[in-house]
Amino acid sequence: GENVEQHPSTLSVQEGDSAVIKCTYSDSASNYFPWYKQELGKGPQLIIDIRSNVGEKKDQRIAVTLNKTAKHFSLHITETQPEDSAVYFCAARTGGGADGLTFGKGTHLIIQP
Amino acid sequence: ETGVTQSPTHLIKTRGQQVTLRCSSQSGHNTVSWYQQALGQGPQFIFQYYREEENGRGNFPPRFSGLQFPNYSSELNVNALELDDSALYLCASRLEPLLDTQYFGPGTRLTVL
Repeated sequence: GENVEQHPSTLSVQEGDSAVIKCTYSDSASNYFPWYKQELGKGPQLIIDIRSNVGEKKDQRIAVTLNKTAKHFSLHITETQPEDSAVYFCAARTGGGADGLTFGKGTHLIIQP
Repeated sequence: ETGVTQSPTHLIKTRGQQVTLRCSSQSGHNTVSWYQQALGQGPQFIFQYYREEENGRGNFPPRFSGLQFPNYSSELNVNALELDDSALYLCASRLEPLLDTQYFGPGTRLTVL
């Protein structure tokens, strides 16, 4: 089955700086790659997603890049703000509609004031 | 807010007991998935329901079962609870199986003593 690895497990950046979180996946049939933000005591919130026919997607301060050849994808957050502090999860899904998401283990992003 | 609601918020059970968790999908979403999230880990896919039938399952034993109702609300049932079943249980809904984007509820925190 699919395996998703996520790095780093903890990332501390100064407010206003950029943050990058990286994930690799194992199954070349995976075609959908979402990123979720999870705050303490809450469920995961979808922040951006990308499909395998697209190399990059941006939404304001957030961007995701996908390299299908290397089987890795990354989340980029620019101009970080205190409210960006949370745990971020990458995920991947293969093939048809009956498959669930396979998640990475998460990155705890800490924004230092 | 995603429009996905779950009940109860917290639950404490004893090893060997049975538990039922409930989820109400976002309006119009006919596909619901359940995930287990252990402390400090990413969510793990349990199963998915579409039109009241299970149509996808992760690596979980048969004592994890579910139901989906005509109004698209759903239940997760776990029999013969084990200590390792202590986790946050999340449901996620999407418009239909072939559409990727899914939205998570806030979860139910289950503690097994």
